[in-house]
Amino acid sequence: GQNIDQPTEMTATEGAIVQINCTYQTSGFNGLFWYQQHAGEAPTFLSYNVLDGLEEKGRFSSFLSRSKGYSYLLLKELQMKDSASYLCAANQAGTALIFGKGTTLSVSS
Amino acid sequence: DVKVTQSSRYLVKRTGEKVFLECVQDMDHENMFWYRQDPGLGLRLIYFSYDVKMKEKGDIPEGYSVSREKKERFSLILESASTNQTSMYLCASSSHRGGAGYGYTFGSGTRLTVV
Repeated sequence: GQNIDQPTEMTATEGAIVQINCTYQTSGFNGLFWYQQHAGEAPTFLSYNVLDGLEEKGRFSSFLSRSKGYSYLLLKELQMKDSASYLCAANQAGTALIFGKGTTLSVSS
Repeated sequence: DVKVTQSSRYLVKRTGEKVFLECVQDMDHENMFWYRQDPGLGLRLIYFSYDVKMKEKGDIPEGYSVSREKKERFSLILESASTNQTSMYLCASSSHRGGAGYGYTFGSGTRLTVV
């Protein structure tokens, strides 16, 4: 079957670093996405990993290990505006993205 | 920028009504998708389409149908709305079925309440 797991909620303080983990089990795996979704808004693209390793984009980085079925999103120098839900989604060859349930991140001052 | 436009931001319908949710994209994408999003359940795939007049069932197609008569428009139809279909509905489009590269572009969503 297919399954994507990520923590439901996380909290952190401004300026800190937070890591959001995602584990997946899918057939025909062909890459992993991270999306950010603020309350009441549409998800927006953050990152895409298809090969093992770390992809860095400003304050955000994403890591993938295909052999372990594991990814994480790393957010540095947290800001209040980073309070949002973070969605992990697996790309299955030939079909649509499958999403995890999302991790709600709350950043406090 | 790709734009995905959903015709209504909020809708209130009565149980048993036939409901049409419309989605239009302006970048000539082959692939379009309908998801619903519920607290604690995340985004769940209802239907998707990879070409005009083509459709594929997602994980939760029961109670829904779709129509894709033109490439830019993908409609979700609730044949007889029920209260358990109260949800946020998100439309998305992509040039790749699995969203390779930049993934999906989502519309702003339609929050449907069935009373």
